[in-house]
Formats: sequence, structure tokens, C-alpha cells
Amino acid sequence: EAGVTQSPTHLIKTRGQQATLRCSPISGHTSVYWYQQALGLGLQFLLWYDEGEERNRGNFPPRFSGRQFPNYSSELNVNALELEDSALYLCASSWASRNTEAFFGQGTRLTVV
Amino acid sequence: GNSVTQMEGPVTLSEEAFLTINCTYTATGYPSLFWYVQYPGEGLQLLLKATKADDKGSNKGFEATYRKETTSFHLEKGSVQVSDSAVYFCAPQSSSNYKLTFGKGTLLTVNP
Repeated sequence: EAGVTQSPTHLIKTRGQQATLRCSPISGHTSVYWYQQALGLGLQFLLWYDEGEERNRGNFPPRFSGRQFPNYSSELNVNALELEDSALYLCASSWASRNTEAFFGQGTRLTVV
Repeated sequence: GNSVTQMEGPVTLSEEAFLTINCTYTATGYPSLFWYVQYPGEGLQLLLKATKADDKGSNKGFEATYRKETTSFHLEKGSVQVSDSAVYFCAPQSSSNYKLTFGKGTLLTVNP
């Protein structure tokens, strides 16, 4: 069974541009989480989608947005990129039920220059 | 919502030393509790979990016991190996909306 897949693996953008990151969850999972992991920091929660709806949002500016498609895959968009947006962006998927673990992708390394 | 306080790192140990990484949480209801591990250059993976009070999760020699009275889920290993060098994350899962909340992570380095 395929795991959580993220694309691209690496992404280099210049300041002010937009970045689009993609995530395909494990088949059957309806929940997708997005996290930012900047160098030297822990996981910062970005967004949580379930059944196509945004369920929760972390403490990030509105230029961080996303969506979940009918097939439960998800997209994270970052507009007006800033240098401090450089980080590893991790996607995780799970069933939206108790006691179930989240499975993580390998992440997208975004570098803003 | 839930919150979690995790032991600040980095933690540096010699091989075969005893490891404890503290984790306490605040939560409404009755969360499930998870420890995740991130090896260098990789994504996160589940290490162990516990779903009710006094449950002990265990895997690869690591253990953690769900302590409801102290709202804690401390990670322990009796004898660490160099291959255990990684970042460890404590994560309670809300019982109401199933959202995972991660701690900041603890970097463990084990020297030979």
C-alpha cells in the first residue's frame, strides 16, 4: 500500500512568489494535516482538513492557505513568499477517528531566496 | 484545545545509558497519546501509543505509560543505542475532534 506522498520533494522560489505543495493521503484516509518544520524548531501546525472541509488552522497569516479535493488529496499554497517561509513542510493523513495514528509523508523542502 | 509540554533538548547520552524524555499535556476529555520519532532526513513515524489510563505503549525497547492523574506520558528506554539518535515528539490526540497536537520535539544524540 502506498504511503503518504508529497510533491515536489524540493522547491526553490524567490521572495514574493507563490508556492504550491501537494499531498496524497493513504487510500481511505479522510483527514490531512499540514505542518511547518523550520530549522531548529519543532512542528508548527498549519492546517487540518477532513472530508473536504477546513477543520482547524494554526497561527499563520492568511497567505498560507489550502484545500482538500474530493479524492482527499490536498494542496498547500503560500503566497507572497518570505525568506522565513523556508522550511520542511510535512503532510500527514489519518482516519478521523479515535486512537488512530497519523502517517507522515517525507515532506517538501521549500527554500525561498 | 490540547497543549503539550515536552522536555527541552538537546539530550546527549552515551550508548547503553538510560533515557527519559518528559511529556505533559493538557486536554479536555480523554485523549489518546502518541510518541513519534523523526530519524535524520526522514519524515515522522509512530513509535508507540497508549489509549487509556495506565496503558503502557512499547516498541523497540521504548516505553511510555499513560498517567491520567499527572497528565503525563514520559518516554523511557533502559539502554539507548547510537541508532536511536533522532528527534522525538509527544502528541496527544483530542477525543472530541481527533486532532493531533505535537510537542516541540526533543533531539536525542547517542554517542558510541
